[in-house]
This record gives sequence, structure tokens and C-alpha cells, in this order.
Amino acid sequence: DQQVKQNSPSLSVQEGRISILNCDYTNSMFDYFLWYKKYPAEGPTFLISISSIKDKNEDGRFTVFLNKSAKHLSLHIVPSQPGDSAVYFCAAAPSGGGADGLTFGKGTHLIIQP
Amino acid sequence: KAGVTQTPRYLIKTRGQQVTLSCSPISGHRSVSWYQQTPGQGLQFLFEYFSETQRNKGNFPGRFSGRQFSNSRSEMNVSTLELGDSALYLCASSKLITSGGHEQFFGPGTRLTVL
Repeated sequence: DQQVKQNSPSLSVQEGRISILNCDYTNSMFDYFLWYKKYPAEGPTFLISISSIKDKNEDGRFTVFLNKSAKHLSLHIVPSQPGDSAVYFCAAAPSGGGADGLTFGKGTHLIIQP
Repeated sequence: KAGVTQTPRYLIKTRGQQVTLSCSPISGHRSVSWYQQTPGQGLQFLFEYFSETQRNKGNFPGRFSGRQFSNSRSEMNVSTLELGDSALYLCASSKLITSGGHEQFFGPGTRLTVL
């Protein structure tokens, strides 16, 4: 049973427009959420995170929104740039702190078209 | 500061063999986690080590094992390799953060191919 779901395997967005990547989770124990970006032949790179006590976190062009009641989070990239083309993984961690294993979604391949 | 390093980067083995992968975390990081990435399953958590002790374990068979040394370097071992073990194996290190930060820093991975 997938606890973190990214239902769109791929997403194509025109350069300069907004990219919205979605993620749903089922485990109520998750209270910390992260987005990672992955280029081919490289390990995932941490992008942005959000704690369950917030509903929004912004870092430059990247904003993550969390809707706890819907168990849904989204990553907004504005404006989208060619270098944003990569696979984006949503990940979640339970409460309690520490470095417990993250539960990842299967990823969304974002393609930014010129 | 140097990032997470993994060796080897690529490996080809045959069914039934065993393999050992190595990971050196970022200096000062004491937690090391291992993940398996396959096209069909995405990133799946294998296990996590902290201070030479396995703290968490994912849902993988006993053929998958690991250990951590006193310098925080970690190895994972897969015995009796199966074709389905072909994957990218990623190592991630992190500090122990109690306030909720779970940022993990990943290495480039080891691409294992089982023939």
C-alpha cells in the first residue's frame, strides 16, 4: 500500500509558466514533508520542506503548500526554467524527530518546454 | 564540505553472487540511510544506521544487510543476488535533528545490474 502517492508520472510545462506538482499521503503519522529533485545519474537533491504546523513554505521560486485535512501537498515552481526539468520526489516522515527513513512517492518527471 | 560519496558507481554481477556497496557520509553526519530506486517502485527505504546501530528497517528480505563503522561510513550487502535486485542504490546522510528536520543528503548512487 503506497503511503505517499504522486499520481502524475510526468508533467510538461512551458518555460516561464507555473509548474504544479502534487502529492497525496495516507499515513496520519506523517508530519514533515520534503521535496527532492533528481537529475539522471545523480542522487536526489533536497529542495524544500514543510512541517505540519505550517500550510505554506516559500523559498525563491519554490513554494510548498500543505493541506492537512486533505492529506495533500503541492510544489509550485514559478517561473519554470529549463533547468527545472528533472524528476521530483515527494517524501514524508513521521513525528518524533530524528532521521527515520523517509517514505517517497514514485516521482513526477517534469519537462520544461522552451 | 565534501558531499556523500558512494563506491563503486557501477557494478555488474550475476545471479547468486553477493555484493557490497560502500557509503561515506558528509563529515559530521552520524546517520546513514540506504534506499533502492527502481523504475516501478520508486525510492524505497532499506535501513538506517546511527552510531553503528541499525535504528530502522524497511520491508526488504534478509538478503539485504548493512553495517556502520565508528567513523560513520556504512556498507550494505546483498547476498544471493536476484535479477530483481538490479537497481540504483542510494545512500543518504543526515544530522540527528530532533526538531523535525529530516533533510537527508544523497550520494550519486551505485547502479547495480544483475545478469
